[in-house]
Amino acid sequence: DVKVTQSSRYLVKRTGEKVFLECVQDMDHENMFWYRQDPGLGLRLIYFSYDVKMKEKGDIPEGYSVSREKKERFSLILESASTNQTSMYLCASSFPSGTETYNQPQHFGDGTRLSIL
Amino acid sequence: QKEVEQDPGPLSVPEGAIVSLNCTYSNSAFQYFMWYRQYSRKGPELLMYTYSSGNKEDGRFTAQVDKSSKYISLFIRDSQPSDSATYLCAIQDGGFKTIFGAGTRLFVKA
Repeated sequence: DVKVTQSSRYLVKRTGEKVFLECVQDMDHENMFWYRQDPGLGLRLIYFSYDVKMKEKGDIPEGYSVSREKKERFSLILESASTNQTSMYLCASSFPSGTETYNQPQHFGDGTRLSIL
Repeated sequence: QKEVEQDPGPLSVPEGAIVSLNCTYSNSAFQYFMWYRQYSRKGPELLMYTYSSGNKEDGRFTAQVDKSSKYISLFIRDSQPSDSATYLCAIQDGGFKTIFGAGTRLFVKA
């Protein structure tokens, strides 16, 4: 089974802090994604990465950055946390398009519920 | 217009009922269709994945795709209280982008 592990289930931070959310996958997936999930808004893509050291902005990248130094690990960074970044953060991974496992869907971790006070 | 529309519910049914969950989408370029189940305080879990029109069955679950109408459905037969969750439809265009519906909350009453 695919395993996507997020380092924290619950996290409480203060406004202005730099926050790191970590994600590790064990299936050798090239693609990794960070989403936030808010009631009524569904899943919104923050950033994704299709290879080590590569990153692409999603739909709502403002206030976030990412790091992918190793294939299995993808980190989301809140540069200066604000209260409007209180949310559920979900990491996902998948194989890329155009391979034998063409268009395999994304597999998710259990999320980090982040509260910014 | 949103690219994927999904009724948020909640939908409440008695145990044993047949459940029908639906999404519509606007872009005919979408090719791949998924359904995820998300329990409270957990991440979405892949239930069904299909890329063609027609039906795909897996146990009590049937995914149906109608590309001509841009309409996808998930049917749950003999629904159980353990099926109570939020169900998300998701659609891919063949590239990196996956678009998720907002999710339908389902309650199955014992």
